[in-house]
Amino acid sequence: KAGVTQTPRYLIKTRGQQVTLSCSPISGHRSVSWYQQTPGQGLQFLFEYFSETQRNKGNFPGRFSGRQFSNSRSEMNVSTLELGDSALYLCASRRNPGLEAFFGQGTRLTVV
Amino acid sequence: GEDVEQSLFLSVREGDSSVINCTYTDSSSTYLYWYKQEPGAGLQLLTYIFSNMDMKQDQRLTVLLNKKDKHLSLRIADTQTGDSAIYFCAESVGTSYGKLTFGQGTILTVHP
Repeated sequence: KAGVTQTPRYLIKTRGQQVTLSCSPISGHRSVSWYQQTPGQGLQFLFEYFSETQRNKGNFPGRFSGRQFSNSRSEMNVSTLELGDSALYLCASRRNPGLEAFFGQGTRLTVV
Repeated sequence: GEDVEQSLFLSVREGDSSVINCTYTDSSSTYLYWYKQEPGAGLQLLTYIFSNMDMKQDQRLTVLLNKKDKHLSLRIADTQTGDSAIYFCAESVGTSYGKLTFGQGTILTVHP
């Protein structure tokens, strides 16, 4: 059974650009959550989607957005990139909210 | 509100037991999790416990939950060098099941 797949694995972007990250959950999982991991702030929750609806949102500026498609795949977008957005972005999927969350390998974003 | 605290470092000898501790503040926590992260990788779910349980054992892993003190621990028996990693404690709260609040992570170093 395939795990959570995140693409791309690595990205380098310039300040001011925008970026889109993709997450394909485990087959049958309908909940997808996104997290940002940095050395300074640790793991922080960005948002959660379930059945194409955002159910929960963390304390991030509006430059961070996401969506979920009917096949449960999710994308997150960061506009007007800042140096501080450099991080490992992790996606997690669940069969239902409340049960085990399985994480992908992450996308390492570097903003220069 | 949610807040999860962990000690930052733990060093043990191969073959010894490791005990990683975590405290949480939210009294309505429903699920408490332990994740492992190896360098350059995503998060691997090790085990989880419901907040109405006191203990859970899974092979070399034992989780103990003290609800009164809001203290969670992960014991790894017969620790091996391959167990060297960062271990994260996390909670999901009430109806916000899709949101995990993580501790800072404990860096476990296993010496031969």
